[in-house]
This record gives sequence, structure tokens and C-alpha cells, in this order.
Amino acid sequence: AQSVTQPDIHITVSEGASLELRCNYSYGATPYLFWYVQSPGQGLQLLLKYFSGDTLVQGIKGFEAEFKRSQSSFNLRKPSVHWSDAAEYFCAVGVVGSRLTFGEGTQLTVNP
Amino acid sequence: EPEVTQTPSHQVTQMGQEVILRCVPISNHLYFYWYRQILGQKVEFLVSFYNNEISEKSEIFDDQFSVERPDGSNFTLKIRSTKLEDSAMYFCASRPGLAVTGELFFGEGSRLTVL
Repeated sequence: AQSVTQPDIHITVSEGASLELRCNYSYGATPYLFWYVQSPGQGLQLLLKYFSGDTLVQGIKGFEAEFKRSQSSFNLRKPSVHWSDAAEYFCAVGVVGSRLTFGEGTQLTVNP
Repeated sequence: EPEVTQTPSHQVTQMGQEVILRCVPISNHLYFYWYRQILGQKVEFLVSFYNNEISEKSEIFDDQFSVERPDGSNFTLKIRSTKLEDSAMYFCASRPGLAVTGELFFGEGSRLTVL
């Protein structure tokens, strides 16, 4: 069965610092990988996605993620965090025609 | 930009009452989903719907739940007799089709509070 693990429940960084949110997955087939962001009281917004090809993908708001098949990871990064990035971040995996499975989320706090 | 819309944004109901949550998926999309998120927990899959029938459902989606696409635009989730543990944010999502990448487009959610 597919599963997604986000090891960090809560991360705090200072504004302007770099950020890396971890995501590990377990999947029998080659998965599609996603990062979604959820601001308080809001829905889920897609940040970026990986399907195939270049393992480093660029997303919105200056985020990027790198797919590492050997490590079954898809970590999200941002070189310089802004206060508006404070939110909850969800990694998700799926295959064509099937459901998405979400990780438990990482809550990001940004200190001024 | 087309978006998934959900109503109501917040509903408060008494335990045992029926609730219908409504969604208008993006117009040319073919696959529809309901997910839920209990406060402080992860987003959980409930059901997927394609070609006017359920294509997949989770163990959460028991006989108390049903989905329907009553017309060409709406997609509804009905909870027949609500329980306290049904309190959650319910997200509707849609995507274009199998040949397209698996990205789901989510609505902003309907918060259900069962008292």
C-alpha cells in the first residue's frame, strides 16, 4: 500500500532563512508527487508536481523540490522564506487514475 | 482561472441530522473526489467518482455517506445521520481525465461541525 511520511510535524525558521521540508514515500509503482500548501482556513493549493523527466522541479512562490528515487524522497525547498510562507505543507503521492495519498503535513512558522 | 467551488463554507448541525455538502467542479473535468480533514490531522481520501459512478472509496466512506452528480455541474456529498466524529473540513476536488497528469484541483472546503 502506498504511504507518505513527513517526518517533521512542525518547523520554525526565521524570515530570510532557507527551508527544506522532508517527504518520503512508499509506492509500488512510479508515483506522481505533489506538494500542496494550506493557509489557515483555506483550501489546498498546488505548489508543484513531479511526473517524469528532470528531477528538480520548480513551483510557484519560489519553491522547488527534488525527486530522489534512490531515497524515495521528494523534499521541498525554498532559498529564502517570507513571512507569508507560514502555512501547513502537505506532500502527496498518486498514480494515474487513482487517489492521492497525503502525508500528515508540516506546519511552518516563520519568525520575523 | 477556473476553480472548484464549495458550499456551504461552514455548516453546524445536530448529531443525527442529514447534511448535504455541495461542490461545483471545474467544468471540463471528468473525475471528482471528496476528501476530509479532521482538525489537526491529515487529509484523508473518501471517494472518487467518474462516469456517474463511484470508482473508488475508502473504509471511511461507509453506508452513512453517499455521493451524487444530480446535474451536469454539481457534485454532492450526503451524510445521512451525522455523528460527532464527522466534524471535519470536507474538500471537493476534480481533475480533467486519465490522459492528463494526476493533479487534483481542490475547493476551499466546507467545514462541518456536528454538535
